[in-house]
Amino acid sequence: DTGVSQDPRHKITKRGQNVTFRCDPISEHNRLYWYRQTLGQGPEFLTYFQNEAQLEKSRLLSDRFSAERPKGSFSTLEIQRTEQGDSAMYLCASNLAGSRNEQFFGPGTRLTVL
Amino acid sequence: DQQVKQNSPSLSVQEGRISILNCDYTNSMFDYFLWYKKYPAEGPTFLISISSIKDKNEDGRFTVFLNKSAKHLSLHIVPSQPGDSAVYFCAASANTGKLIFGQGTTLQVKP
Repeated sequence: DTGVSQDPRHKITKRGQNVTFRCDPISEHNRLYWYRQTLGQGPEFLTYFQNEAQLEKSRLLSDRFSAERPKGSFSTLEIQRTEQGDSAMYLCASNLAGSRNEQFFGPGTRLTVL
Repeated sequence: DQQVKQNSPSLSVQEGRISILNCDYTNSMFDYFLWYKKYPAEGPTFLISISSIKDKNEDGRFTVFLNKSAKHLSLHIVPSQPGDSAVYFCAASANTGKLIFGQGTTLQVKP
């Protein structure tokens, strides 16, 4: 399967703990995006990378959130000192820069903060 | 501020009939629009898109219409099939990387 993959698929953690999610994009895609989706809402943009460079960050991305894409391939999203309000589905997507083609989404990581 | 709105949370249609899903936007800088379908426990899957220079794009049973003066787009599915039952999201882009999504409409197609 050469689609976007995310790991883990589910994560349950206690408030105050740190969590890290991984996304592996489609191999030839140089852009990688992170979104967050809560119940009854559409995905909300968090940040995106072109190769290693983080090109844009949403105001939603507080100081507790950090994303990296160190070698321009996979990316990690870390949430420090998790809060109950961080409970959501975290989606990763990828595509090629320079075209208006669609973004391909992974299956998401479901985070539950107790 | 909700720049992309889907005002109908749900829609129920009989198999074989037309499904029409609507989406409104407020940002006149949006120049590309997309529709995604989402099944439970899966990520969104791309369906169809349209550039702001067009007013219609068709792909099989799916047609998207864009009315720029009204800042409105719609997705038509003809004929609707039970397998089309899912949550549908419209999304918009302003020549940046990110997509702005609506809240989604749950479509149920009854056999």
